[in-house]
Amino acid sequence: DVKVTQSSRYLVKRTGEKVFLECVQDMDHENMFWYRQDPGLGLRLIYFSYDVKMKEKGDIPEGYSVSREKKERFSLILESASTNQTSMYLCATTQNYGYTFGSGTRLTVV
Amino acid sequence: KNEVEQSPQNLTAQEGEFITINCSYSVGISALHWLQQHPGGGIVSLFMLSSGKKKHGRLIATINIQEKHSSLHITASHPRDSAVYICAVLTDKLIFGTGTRLQVFP
Repeated sequence: DVKVTQSSRYLVKRTGEKVFLECVQDMDHENMFWYRQDPGLGLRLIYFSYDVKMKEKGDIPEGYSVSREKKERFSLILESASTNQTSMYLCATTQNYGYTFGSGTRLTVV
Repeated sequence: KNEVEQSPQNLTAQEGEFITINCSYSVGISALHWLQQHPGGGIVSLFMLSSGKKKHGRLIATINIQEKHSSLHITASHPRDSAVYICAVLTDKLIFGTGTRLQVFP
């Protein structure tokens, strides 16, 4: 079975901290995505990657960056965390139109 | 106006009831996904549809491409079906509805 693993389920960080959210997939898929989920807004695309070292901005990239040094790992970086980045973050991968999601990281910035 | 609209936003049912969740969209799509999200956050893919109807256990999903509408049905609902159900359409990216929160009481 396809697996997408996010390293932390819950995270509390302070305003201004640099935050790394890690996502690892075991399916050798090329496409990986980072979403954030907020009440009433649904899931919104932050960044995606179609290949190693390749990244594309999604709908809400401001305040975020990403890194994809290896095919299986896609990292989301909050350069300087702010309270409005408190949210649920979900990683996903896709192949042949099917999507597999990670279990999510609930990030609180205080 | 959102490109993907779900109804209802919230749904409460008694165990055993037949449940329908609706999804309408306004864009051309390659496929439509129904997703399930339990408390705690992880999202599970239930169905991917591009036409017709699919069935898995007590869950049935249908899509009408001409009317740009899909429905998710749950027969003989159970408290373990309590979750948020999300419709998402695939264009050049995945566009999500805001979800339907279902609570099934014993």
